[in-house]
Amino acid sequence: GNSVTQMEGPVTLSEEAFLTINCTYTATGYPSLFWYVQYPGEGLQLLLKATKADDKGSNKGFEATYRKETTSFHLEKGSVQVSDSAVYFCAQGGDNTDKLIFGTGTRLQVFP
Amino acid sequence: GAVVSQHPSWVICKSGTSVKIECRSLDFQATTMFWYRQFPKQSLMLMATSNEGSKATYEQGVEKDKFLINHASLTLSTLTVTSAHPEDSSFYICSASGQGHGYTFGSGTRLTVV
Repeated sequence: GNSVTQMEGPVTLSEEAFLTINCTYTATGYPSLFWYVQYPGEGLQLLLKATKADDKGSNKGFEATYRKETTSFHLEKGSVQVSDSAVYFCAQGGDNTDKLIFGTGTRLQVFP
Repeated sequence: GAVVSQHPSWVICKSGTSVKIECRSLDFQATTMFWYRQFPKQSLMLMATSNEGSKATYEQGVEKDKFLINHASLTLSTLTVTSAHPEDSSFYICSASGQGHGYTFGSGTRLTVV
């Protein structure tokens, strides 16, 4: 079945470091791909998404490119801030009536 | 942008009582709502999917009689945890989609059963 695999955390970085959180997926079709962020004690917020191959989603300095050939959607940011500390979830989904399938989440900790 | 309001944000209840959690789409009609459960430091587990006016579709292993889901209108879905027990303590999150708005999440409800 469809699934999402993302790197285990926690990922610990110093402020202004480069961030990569790996995400790969398995799917029978061509799903939309998402990154969500969850701050402590809060719900999920959509960070970015891509709906087809080679699309690049970007928001708040974060980017991810839908790579069909490697079935990947890695999250990157050139210079992280302490305020980026949160849990990041990679997910795949179909149309808006389909459920989202989440990865296990990756905790990012950024220190000054 | 689309907004989904979820209430309460936290609740403490006694074992054996029932708790109702509301999820409202404030500025769009949510034809589909999803209810998730999240254990500490774990990912989200989909519990059920509901379409307005229809019975919810539950994921395997989720007790229908324990987790009652109602989606009676295009802007409101409720999850009722019946006869709650300490093992039901968790973080519950709803998500709504419709009218071109996909997968907008509520802020979650932390349930503690004592």
